[in-house]
Amino acid sequence: GAGVSQSPRYKVAKRGQDVALRCDPISGHVSLFWYQQALGQGPEFLTYFQNEAQLDKSGLPSDRFFAERPEGSVSTLKIQRTQQEDSAVYLCASSFDSNQPQHFGDGTRLSIL
Amino acid sequence: AQSVTQPDIHITVSEGASLELRCNYSYGATPYLFWYVQSPGQGLQLLLKYFSGDTLVQGIKGFEAEFKRSQSSFNLRKPSVHWSDAAEYFCAVGAHNQGGKLIFGQGTELSVKP
Repeated sequence: GAGVSQSPRYKVAKRGQDVALRCDPISGHVSLFWYQQALGQGPEFLTYFQNEAQLDKSGLPSDRFFAERPEGSVSTLKIQRTQQEDSAVYLCASSFDSNQPQHFGDGTRLSIL
Repeated sequence: AQSVTQPDIHITVSEGASLELRCNYSYGATPYLFWYVQSPGQGLQLLLKYFSGDTLVQGIKGFEAEFKRSQSSFNLRKPSVHWSDAAEYFCAVGAHNQGGKLIFGQGTELSVKP
């Protein structure tokens, strides 16, 4: 399809496991963003890429969170040694450039047991 | 500090009635402003945006919003609500010098009575 695609849609992991969440942005979109949305809250910024360069990672909650976009297209958000407080919906968004509106995927709902 | 406030956590309106959702922001730079809508289990869909120019902006699904710099507000309005408008609504603010990073309000849940 033409939209932002995220996989998996749902992920259940045990505390301490590592997880990887994937985002396929809209083709041609230079900018890619990750947000974390806790239950009943608005999305909170995690990190931002322009092509393959990670220009802002100020929102990553700890060094357990790592994101990459090696070829400037698909991005992966990795969480190591997951904790219960990591349970949330992780949203990916892309835009033609940083000054254009962001288009969001449906998110990955992560549950840590 | 940069922030977005949506004072109403939950609003209920009757179908056919008018709607106004409030949004106030605190932002040092000249802001870009957005309204997004989220249905359960879905991502966010852009309703409308304000970058510059005319302070009254039209969006999809019959929504409009007015940017009032003096009040630091960007309220969302619709003259006649439909049952399908029931969803969560988020106001967001960004700026050119922030690389596109958006700050979201906590959202307003809209319920529509038949």
